[in-house]
Amino acid sequence: SQKIEQNSEALNIQEGKTATLTCNYTNYSPAYLQWYRQDPGRGPVFLLLIRENEKEKRKERLKVTFDTTLKQSLFHITASQPADSATYLCALRPDSWGKLQFGAGTQVVVTP
Amino acid sequence: DTAVSQTPKYLVTQMGNDKSIKCEQNLGHDTMYWYKQDSKKFLKIMFSYNNKELIINETVPNRFSPKSPDKAHLNLHINSLELGDSAVYFCASSQDRGVGTGELFFGEGSRLTVL
Repeated sequence: SQKIEQNSEALNIQEGKTATLTCNYTNYSPAYLQWYRQDPGRGPVFLLLIRENEKEKRKERLKVTFDTTLKQSLFHITASQPADSATYLCALRPDSWGKLQFGAGTQVVVTP
Repeated sequence: DTAVSQTPKYLVTQMGNDKSIKCEQNLGHDTMYWYKQDSKKFLKIMFSYNNKELIINETVPNRFSPKSPDKAHLNLHINSLELGDSAVYFCASSQDRGVGTGELFFGEGSRLTVL
């Protein structure tokens, strides 16, 4: 069966350091992968999308990599700030027509 | 202006009751969704409508009935509520299938508590 796995343990990191989150998947051949941020009591907010033919994508302090051989995406927050504290979700859609499936998310806590 | 709005934000009710959650989007999207987020924070798709037509119907008890009166609205009605229905229900919308990045725009969620 199809599975999306994210580290369930919270990632505690000091302000200014780089946070790295992992998203592994099995039995998928996704056309693209998305990352969302979710704050407590709020709905997820879209951050970045990376396509299967892209190795890396950047947006401000965020960087996403996509390795279709390893079936893995890494999400980096550089120069992390306390305001980056949230849960980060990865999501896969096999193609533009398929349903978007989410991982369980990884909580990031950035301390000053 | 809120892009995807859902009401009510909180809903506390007794087992066996029937309740509805409403959702509206002003983004002009053709596709709308209902997701359920349980206590373990796992987001699971329930339904998807494209231009008022049901296109995704996951394995959800038939006590849950979505209804889309037009492409800007998607409501969720739940009959005979059970304790296990307690969760946060998120409405979302996206551009038409096959167009754009397929990113989802979520509402703020409706927290349902069944006593």
